[in-house]
Amino acid sequence: GAVVSQHPSWVICKSGTSVKIECRSLDFQATTMFWYRQFPKQSLMLMATSNEGSKATYEQGVEKDKFLINHASLTLSTLTVTSAHPEDSSFYICSARDTASYEQYFGPGTRLTVT
Amino acid sequence: GQNIDQPTEMTATEGAIVQINCTYQTSGFNGLFWYQQHAGEAPTFLSYNVLDGLEEKGRFSSFLSRSKGYSYLLLKELQMKDSASYLCAVRKNTGFQKLVFGTGTRLLVSP
Repeated sequence: GAVVSQHPSWVICKSGTSVKIECRSLDFQATTMFWYRQFPKQSLMLMATSNEGSKATYEQGVEKDKFLINHASLTLSTLTVTSAHPEDSSFYICSARDTASYEQYFGPGTRLTVT
Repeated sequence: GQNIDQPTEMTATEGAIVQINCTYQTSGFNGLFWYQQHAGEAPTFLSYNVLDGLEEKGRFSSFLSRSKGYSYLLLKELQMKDSASYLCAVRKNTGFQKLVFGTGTRLLVSP
């Protein structure tokens, strides 16, 4: 089946630094990828939609200058959390839509802890 | 905007049947998905409904009524490993066909 990977699986960083999270579709092309955030005991909240070769579309209330998204190829999207603060600590999950089948597959998630 | 509501927690015993409800109010509805998520892991796909009615897949079934904005996930012959969060998600009929998740239901299966 289709596989989506995320790297790193977990990261700890200091307040004020930036962290980059990668999302890759390993055996299919994904024109569109989605980034979600999940706080403990809560559901997934869509942050933004990432489209290859164009600017990301952010959901209401999500700061685009803080959460930088780049989708430079059909198999890779990156999310950079800039000037991270403890309140950014969360579980970040990406999903990728197979361009051919339109099926959507989730990555394993990245646990970010900001100290 | 959209509201997608689920009960926060449910408990059931092994071998029983449990129904998890999901109600939604959204514009541009284009299908409803159910996912299972264990703690610290990504969601895994369970079922998909786009037309009214019941979809059965082994121990899991999902029902949809578009006119009522209502869906449920039915789990039969519960097993301990079914203890997890269950998320319903609505696909929007927008250019990106994005998935918007409900509040999620934590299910605890006891012996």
